[in-house]
Parts: sequence; structure tokens; C-alpha cells
Amino acid sequence: GAGVSQSPRYKVAKRGQDVALRCDPISGHVSLFWYQQALGQGPEFLTYFQNEAQLDKSGLPSDRFFAERPEGSVSTLKIQRTQQEDSAVYLCASSLSTYEQYFGPGTRLTVT
Amino acid sequence: EDQVTQSPEALRLQEGESSSLNCSYTVSGLRGLFWYRQDPGKGPEFLFTLYSAGEEKEKERLKATLTKKESFLHITAPKPEDSATYLCAVAGGSQGNLIFGKGTKLSVKP
Repeated sequence: GAGVSQSPRYKVAKRGQDVALRCDPISGHVSLFWYQQALGQGPEFLTYFQNEAQLDKSGLPSDRFFAERPEGSVSTLKIQRTQQEDSAVYLCASSLSTYEQYFGPGTRLTVT
Repeated sequence: EDQVTQSPEALRLQEGESSSLNCSYTVSGLRGLFWYRQDPGKGPEFLFTLYSAGEEKEKERLKATLTKKESFLHITAPKPEDSATYLCAVAGGSQGNLIFGKGTKLSVKP
């Protein structure tokens, strides 16, 4: 079946621009996670949704980062006024429960 | 603080040369330890979940084991297509978000 999809796969933004990253989870998966992966590092947790409810946003690095999942399916991670330190791969994962998570291919964001 | 440490950072093997990757963890109440494989430019691919000390799981040339403090990923007679970064993670936090190690980059030469 279809896995987790993310778009765009690559995004180049100029410093100060806003960006929106999309995640389509596996159909029926109630849990959705966003992670940030810097080069040579493991993914780091950003935020978690159960259906449309954002239950944990403790990993968001600043108030420039905002995530939503209004209908409990597709999710969008928005970054306002991008900075160079925001350059990373942003991974989305979905799960039937909170444990076995299945990842999408990621969006590579480069801020110039 | 929940923490995961993987070693070695990189491992180069000849085809057929068996070895093990280590994952040491500290977590307040283990709710699962996970192994993922990540190829360049791709997202992590789920391999195994282990829940309790003594548990073992196998898939093709890979075998994962778990103790109270660490997990091992044993690779038997590896092939070049096993080359990838292997990530270990534990389920932490109140919502089960994964806490990852930095990974072990495995290269298998023919």
C-alpha cells in the first residue's frame, strides 16, 4: 500500500521567507510525528498529533515553527522567517499507535 | 534525561564479514526500542521493535537483541546492499516520540 508521502522533496528558501511542508500519512494512521534531521545526526522530535489534536509540541525550536493537522489526516509544518539554522531534512512519520512509526522520504530545506 | 548512544559511528566490512552494532540507552521506563535503516536521501525504514530484555528478532541477515541497558544489531555474512546508516531509537516522553541515536554508517565492500 501507499506509504507516507511528503512534498516538496526539496525546498530552497531565502533567509526571511516563509515555507510550508506537507505530509500525507498512511491512510488510517491516527498518530503523526514531525522530526528534524541535521546532516550526520539522528532525527530529533518536533511535534506530535493524535488525529487533529496537537498533543506535544515540546520539540519545536522556536515560535517561528507551527504545525497543523486540521482534519486529522494531512499535516503541514510551517516555518516563518526562515533562518540558516533551519536548514535540515524534515521527516514526517505516522503510526497506528504511538510506537511503530513509518517515515516518509523527508523534505530537504536549504536556507540561503 | 532519556538518551541513546550508538557505536561505532562508522563500520567498514568486507562482504561476508559478520559484525555487530551497539546501541546503549538510558530511559525512564522503556516502552520499546526500535531499529531503522536509512539510505542516503531517504527516510528511515522500520526494521525491528524490541520491548523487553531477552527479546530477539530476525530478518534475513539481521538479528536484533535487547538487554536492560543496550541493544545489538548483529549482521551475519553482510552483502554490499546492506550498506546504509542504521539508527536506534527508544520510545520516550509521554506521547511515545522516538529518541534517536546518531546512527552507525555501515559500508560493505565486495
